[in-house]
Amino acid sequence: NAGVTQTPKFQVLKTGQSMTLQCAQDMNHNSMYWYRQDPGMGLRLIYYSASEGTTDKGEVPNGYNVSRLNKREFSLRLESAAPSQTSVYFCASTRRQGQTNEKLFFGSGTQLSVL
Amino acid sequence: GESVGLHLPTLSVQEGDNSIINCAYSNSASDYFIWYKQESGKGPQFIIDIRSNMDKRQGQRVTVLLNKTVKHLSLQIAATQPGDSAVYFCAENSRMDTGRRALTFGSGTRLQVQP
Repeated sequence: NAGVTQTPKFQVLKTGQSMTLQCAQDMNHNSMYWYRQDPGMGLRLIYYSASEGTTDKGEVPNGYNVSRLNKREFSLRLESAAPSQTSVYFCASTRRQGQTNEKLFFGSGTQLSVL
Repeated sequence: GESVGLHLPTLSVQEGDNSIINCAYSNSASDYFIWYKQESGKGPQFIIDIRSNMDKRQGQRVTVLLNKTVKHLSLQIAATQPGDSAVYFCAENSRMDTGRRALTFGSGTRLQVQP
């Protein structure tokens, strides 16, 4: 099992360009998440999908959109990239959102630079 | 402990010593807590968790202590090894504005193990 797989691992964009970060999990998890991590800071939740067909905003959703394509895949889209979106992006999944003992499994991250 | 901004607090220990990493959480209603380890260039990995109805839980070489009175969580690592060098995050399971629950993360502590 690969767990949570993110692509690409690195990306450089110019301001105003768009791109989609891909995430797939093979653990049959219901819930998936996108976090961003800025230098010296903890992870902040951008969007999450409690189950296939649902998505909800997290702490920092502005400038992003998401699509839960199917149970396995959850993509994050930047429509018009800004330098403030330079960060490391992590996708995560868990068996079922909302449970008390929610244990997240993370991908290895996408390092995004917006010039 | 926790910090805001670009500079992570750093704990430097000698190989073989015990390490204690502290975390202050924010939400008195949080009922589940996790410690994650993040090595350079990788996604966070689960270490140990604890429910709010417990005050101590032990794993292999790690112990988590929870003090709900002062909203404090600590991670103890016994006989610290060079492979323990990483950034450690605590996370609490909180209810969001949407009513759903999600994990929110502290800003992390860097552990440096000196040989």
